Amino acid sequence: EPEVTQTPSHQVTQMGQEVILRCVPISNHLYFYWYRQILGQKVEFLVSFYNNEISEKSEIFDDQFSVERPDGSNFTLKIRSTKLEDSAMYFCASSEFFYSNQPQHFGDGTRLSIL
Amino acid sequence: EDKVVQSPLSLVVHEGDTVTLNCSYEVTNFRSLLWYKQEKKAPTFLFMLTSSGIEKKSGRLSSILDKKELFSILNITATQTGDSAIYLCAVPYGGATNKLIFGTGTLLAVQP
Repeated sequence: EPEVTQTPSHQVTQMGQEVILRCVPISNHLYFYWYRQILGQKVEFLVSFYNNEISEKSEIFDDQFSVERPDGSNFTLKIRSTKLEDSAMYFCASSEFFYSNQPQHFGDGTRLSIL
Repeated sequence: EDKVVQSPLSLVVHEGDTVTLNCSYEVTNFRSLLWYKQEKKAPTFLFMLTSSGIEKKSGRLSSILDKKELFSILNITATQTGDSAIYLCAVPYGGATNKLIFGTGTLLAVQP
């Protein structure tokens, strides 16, 4: 069964550095999402992406964050000037269509640790 | 404010028991409700519910939605240790995209 893949599985970075989290969505999916889960807290929506542009973003997704689909398969989340509070599990998800009868499928996540 | 509330927060049962997990929601423009199972890594899709009163079933798992009372339940019968996981309830919210709002999850521990 096709799946969403994310790399790396764990990223350790010094505060102030930039990180890029990578995702390969399911190949025929058109809608892509990033979520994060701070330890012990709920999964939170960050951003949705369709047709090479951001469809919607949350309050969390400020100028520190950016997303890109650099080629036909990868979908990346860049975090600039990382802060301690950016430490979290970051999940990528994709869905085939926008319509709500199509579930989002999640990758295994990248655990980001900011030191 | 849109929200999803799950109960209980955690549950410990023995193999063979039946469990019922609850999810209530308050979301504008409700369209669907999803259940996911989260073990060590990715939330794995279980069910999507859009219509009231229609049970969805997969093996020992089943789920039903009540759009009048704004809740859903997830039942697991004859539990096994492999059912131990966090069960997440999520609802698409907002109008622009299908972004999901999640509950805190129910941590289920099935003891041998």
